[in-house]
Amino acid sequence: AQKVTQAQTEISVVEKEDVTLDCVYETRDTTYYLFWYKQPPSGELVFLIRRNSFDEQNEISGRYSWNFQKSTSSFNFTITASQVVDSAVYFCALSEANGANSKLTFGKGITLSVRP
Amino acid sequence: DAGVIQSPRHEVTEMGQEVTLRCKPISGHNSLFWYRQTMMRGLELLIYFNNNVPIDDSGMPEDRFSAKMPNASFSTLKIQPSEPRDSAVYFCASGLSDYPDTQYFGPGTRLTVL
Repeated sequence: AQKVTQAQTEISVVEKEDVTLDCVYETRDTTYYLFWYKQPPSGELVFLIRRNSFDEQNEISGRYSWNFQKSTSSFNFTITASQVVDSAVYFCALSEANGANSKLTFGKGITLSVRP
Repeated sequence: DAGVIQSPRHEVTEMGQEVTLRCKPISGHNSLFWYRQTMMRGLELLIYFNNNVPIDDSGMPEDRFSAKMPNASFSTLKIQPSEPRDSAVYFCASGLSDYPDTQYFGPGTRLTVL
């Protein structure tokens, strides 16, 4: 069975600080996909990134960066120079690439508060 | 392009009443997922469809819950009879299953059962 662990439950930082959100996953499959979603106070779930298990290149998108390490089964998310608008709950999720079976298993989420 | 559309956005009902939640997936997507989010249990997959066919409904809590997808552009999740413990935010998401792809979520329906 697949599992996603987000050990941090709440993080509070001051604006402009860098912050890293941790994600550890478990799966028996060799082919799988990892995701990060953002849930701002308004409640919707916003897709941020997808990474497949064969691509361990780190990715940077503006102030966001992701570090995927298969050796430690981790897919961590870093926000550089955080802003108040980054305050949200962040979910890491795992999908096993099994034909049409693409259901997501979510972690419990990390509540990030960025103070001015 | 329009995203996933859910209605209603908020629903308040009394215990025992029937509740129907509606979802319109993104045009062209062939997978549809219903999730429930609560503080205690987080995000849980209830059921998902591929090409309008239910593939896995193991997450449906009990017989009071049912879901249908009569065509590629519409799905319903029905709770009958509703109970206070059903209070949650229900999300619908759609994606392309031919190649496991990103799921795009609707805004959710906040259900309160009194």
